[in-house]
Amino acid sequence: AQSVTQLGSHVSVSEGALVLLRCNYSSSVPPYLFWYVQYPNQGLQLLLKYTSAATLVKGINGFEAEFKKSETSFHLTKPSAHMSDAAEYFCAVSVRIGGGTSYGKLTFGQGTILTVHP
Amino acid sequence: GAVVSQHPSWVICKSGTSVKIECRSLDFQATTMFWYRQFPKQSLMLMATSNEGSKATYEQGVEKDKFLINHASLTLSTLTVTSAHPEDSSFYICSARDRLFPAPYNEQFFGPGTRLTVL
Repeated sequence: AQSVTQLGSHVSVSEGALVLLRCNYSSSVPPYLFWYVQYPNQGLQLLLKYTSAATLVKGINGFEAEFKKSETSFHLTKPSAHMSDAAEYFCAVSVRIGGGTSYGKLTFGQGTILTVHP
Repeated sequence: GAVVSQHPSWVICKSGTSVKIECRSLDFQATTMFWYRQFPKQSLMLMATSNEGSKATYEQGVEKDKFLINHASLTLSTLTVTSAHPEDSSFYICSARDRLFPAPYNEQFFGPGTRLTVL
């Protein structure tokens, strides 16, 4: 079974500052990893995903994440925060290997609410 | 991008009644849809996987007879909460995967969610 832990339910940064949202995963098989963003009253939107190609993945809105197998981490970063980045962010893992009851399912972390101050 | 809608966006019902929530993929076909439940300040918990034309697969601990799922077409899945009680109050979210891109590394497209309140 796989699981995801997001460290910090709330992160607050100033506009223009670095954004770092932490995600650690546990999986008995090689994982696919995702970051989703949820704005109020909207559905989750995919920011980026790791699918075993490059370990540094670039996504939309200037976000990127690096897959570190040795640390079982997939932290999300953005060099300079913008007010419009304020939202809730979810890290998720999916099983890569076919078969089994977990194939294709997403397991989500607890979510991190990002607040951006002027 | 692909759009998934849910209807209604919110519903209030009396204890003991049943409530149906619709999930539609608007511009793509989905052989697989997923239903999640989200409690306040908590993560999304997968309830069941809905496959078009076949029975849904429920996660451990989810009551099949309470949460009826029907996936009658490639663009519509429904979740019916039967004999709802206050503890069923939650935020229900569906997602869908484009049938042309079924692999697990492909994106799931999420609906905006339905807020259910049972009095």
